Amino acid sequence: QVQLVQSEPEVKKPGASVKVSCKTSGYTFTNFGITWVRQAPGQGLEWMGWISTYNGNTNYAQKFQGRVTMTTDTSTNTGYLDLRSLTADDTAVYYCAKGRPGGEQWLQSWGQGTLVTVSS
Amino acid sequence: DIQMTQSPSSLSASVGERVTITCRTSQSIKTFLNWYQQKPGQAPKLLIFAASTLETDVPSRFSGSGSGTDFALTISSLQPEDVATYYCQQTYLFPAFGQGTKVEVK
Repeated sequence: QVQLVQSEPEVKKPGASVKVSCKTSGYTFTNFGITWVRQAPGQGLEWMGWISTYNGNTNYAQKFQGRVTMTTDTSTNTGYLDLRSLTADDTAVYYCAKGRPGGEQWLQSWGQGTLVTVSS
Repeated sequence: DIQMTQSPSSLSASVGERVTITCRTSQSIKTFLNWYQQKPGQAPKLLIFAASTLETDVPSRFSGSGSGTDFALTISSLQPEDVATYYCQQTYLFPAFGQGTKVEVK
């Protein structure tokens, strides 16, 4: 079955960077892109961006442009989210997700989430 | 940017009651609208895509409707396991989520 398994929680200081991984299995990795969504404590969902696992094309939300990099490794079927210049406002659970056939943004399968805490 | 207004922000209804959540966008998004359910401590779950298509294995008491700028998620008969926060998501331009609706059972 389809699985997206994310990396462990992280604690970072303001100004630092964080890299979250999303290891996938159970489907052909290059057939579906990976979307990243975050959720601050007690808040709603925030779409961060999407990466094509086929050719590496990316589409980042304007809010994160210049501060985020999404990559993939087709040898390990893993996606990565790199977020730089962290502030306390970046404290959130970060999710990776995969679309369903017919729609990349019909987010059918999700990782378990990775809590990133930014604190001095 | 497309503005999204989801309402109400929260509601409380009795078991068996019909519940409707609405999502309005600032410009037409045709039917590029999805609905998700999120239970506490869990990742979101896709319920409805393309405004009205029920995801596999989602109970038929859930339905979606609308096109253009006005959309609705309806639970025809609220069940205790439906306690969750529900989000709409537009994918017409840069994808974005609505603010969420927290559903509770009286």
